Amino acid sequence: RKEVEQDPGPFNVPEGATVAFNCTYSNSASQSFFWYRQDCRKEPKLLMSVYSSGNEDGRFTAQLNRASQYISLLIRDSKLSDSATYLCVVKRGGGTSYGKLTFGQGTILTVHP
Amino acid sequence: GAGVSQSPSNKVTEKGKDVELRCDPISGHTALYWYRQSLGQGLEFLIYFQGNSAPDKSGLPSDRFSAERTGGSVSTLTIQRTQQEDSAVYLCASIQGYNEQFFGPGTRLTVL
Repeated sequence: RKEVEQDPGPFNVPEGATVAFNCTYSNSASQSFFWYRQDCRKEPKLLMSVYSSGNEDGRFTAQLNRASQYISLLIRDSKLSDSATYLCVVKRGGGTSYGKLTFGQGTILTVHP
Repeated sequence: GAGVSQSPSNKVTEKGKDVELRCDPISGHTALYWYRQSLGQGLEFLIYFQGNSAPDKSGLPSDRFSAERTGGSVSTLTIQRTQQEDSAVYLCASIQGYNEQFFGPGTRLTVL
């Protein structure tokens, strides 16, 4: 089983739609969680961190459920510019390779007019 | 300030040749990662350097791959006797503490 798993999609949604991505992780020692965004043929960039209490940044809301080892990202009022691959990222909290980041395979989102 | 830089940006080589890929992390960042990404695929972890600790080499796909980080700064990823399946974008990233992991633009390797 992969350490971080995501639904690869693709998700094709119209502008203005709300879309949600899910991610599960297997290592209970995971400490920190992030969503990264990767545009076509570009390097990944941090979108937002994910906190236990849930956090929001404009149209984006991230949730963490430690008991279920589950992370989500909600995008409201989708824009064409949101089209990208969204990567779920988990940071190891203990044991060997402390601090190592593991990336999910990514979820492809395409927002169309 | 300057971000993570990688060189070369593109490398075309013949099967069986050795290649060296370079990464200059952000100054002061103690952690450095190498990943590779094949077309349409996710990021594949290769190796992780953290300060003076022994590197985590668990992601290196074969003994043809090696990496070093000199003086806690610049890193070189070496692929010996390249194969066509080594063709991918090789990404380097650096991080300081609990902050954001910054990626370089990558080196696109094509093995003919």
